Amino acid sequence: AQKITQTQPGMFVQEKEAVTLDCTYDTSDQSYGLFWYKQPSSGEMIFLIYQGSYDEQNATEGRYSLNFQKARKSANLVISASQLGDSAMYFCAMRPQNTGNQFYFGTGTSLTVIP
Amino acid sequence: KAGVTQTPRYLIKTRGQQVTLSCSPISGHRSVSWYQQTPGQGLQFLFEYFSETQRNKGNFPGRFSGRQFSNSRSEMNVSTLELGDSALYLCASSLGDQKETQYFGPGTRLLVL
Repeated sequence: AQKITQTQPGMFVQEKEAVTLDCTYDTSDQSYGLFWYKQPSSGEMIFLIYQGSYDEQNATEGRYSLNFQKARKSANLVISASQLGDSAMYFCAMRPQNTGNQFYFGTGTSLTVIP
Repeated sequence: KAGVTQTPRYLIKTRGQQVTLSCSPISGHRSVSWYQQTPGQGLQFLFEYFSETQRNKGNFPGRFSGRQFSNSRSEMNVSTLELGDSALYLCASSLGDQKETQYFGPGTRLLVL
């Protein structure tokens, strides 16, 4: 079975501080992709960062980095220097190798950046 | 390059009616996937179309159907609407290769009364 777990329903962070959003996954596939998306109140899902299961380096995209620990099956998102515009829902997603383009999503974490 | 577009953005229907939602993918993308998002169930995969063929399907009743046209535009149809079908319906497009990222549209908010 494929499963994504996000255990933090809500998080608060001070502006300009760093924050880590947790994500663990479960899959029996050897090859898979891990993704993080941001969903503002408008509803659109915005792609943030991607990590392949065979990638040896942790992915980084600007202020976003993914802390990938394969043995622990975790793929935490780190946002550095938080900005007010980072306040949104954040979803971790996994695409196993053998499911075409089907993504499995976690329940999301609501991040609030405090000025 | 234009992003994924979805129409309409908002829709109100009554139980028993049917509805058709439309999605235009990013130019050059051949894969279109549909997701349903509700507060209770979260994001759930409906189906994926690639080159006009349904490539993958989630666990939804047959009332939910879709199709894809030769220009990669996709439509999703829900027949005999139920109150529980009220949701945000998101469409995502990608090139189709398994390593490619999916890019989402703004969604269609459907309210069933």
